[in-house]
Amino acid sequence: GAGVSQTPSNKVTEKGKYVELRCDPISGHTALYWYRQSLGQGPEFLIYFQGTGAADDSGLPNDRFFAVRPEGSVSTLKIQRTERGDSAVYLCASSYSGQRTDTQYFGPGTRLTVL
Amino acid sequence: KQEVTQIPAALSVPEGENLVLNCSFTDSAIYNLQWFRQDPGKGLTSLLLIQSSQREQTSGRLNASLDKSSGRSTLYIAASQPGDSATYLCAANQGGKLIFGQGTELSVKP
Repeated sequence: GAGVSQTPSNKVTEKGKYVELRCDPISGHTALYWYRQSLGQGPEFLIYFQGTGAADDSGLPNDRFFAVRPEGSVSTLKIQRTERGDSAVYLCASSYSGQRTDTQYFGPGTRLTVL
Repeated sequence: KQEVTQIPAALSVPEGENLVLNCSFTDSAIYNLQWFRQDPGKGLTSLLLIQSSQREQTSGRLNASLDKSSGRSTLYIAASQPGDSATYLCAANQGGKLIFGQGTELSVKP
């Protein structure tokens, strides 16, 4: 079946602008995760949804970052007043139920560049 | 706070060699440990997942081990091929979120 998809694949924006990044998880997966990967680094956790609710948002760097998953499927990561330091690849992953035995499956990522 | 470290940062080997990638973590309270492969400009592909109660997992030429007491995991690749060239990442699952190492960039020379 289809894997995790993310749109857009690339996003270039100007400092101070608002951006939205979208993630479509694997069909039937109830858990959804957002990570951010800077060049040469491993991904860093941002937020984790179980169904419609955020189970853990401890990785969001500040209040400019917000994520929603209103129907328990598609999720949108929203970044307000973008800064150059927000430039990174934003990765989304999903797992079947979020249980400790589950594998997380990753999408191809959205490369965000803030000029 | 969980910290995950991978050594070496980069490795270059001739084709056909067996090799070991290392991953260490500071907090043994993990759900599982997952190994991923990342090709340049691409997302992550899951290779193996070892549950906290397991000692090892095997898939084809790959074998991953887990020693929670010492905070270590290894990924063994047998008979390496040029197509194995990629960055390999390990991640410790704590409370559902993955804590990643910085990766080992592997180059297998024909």
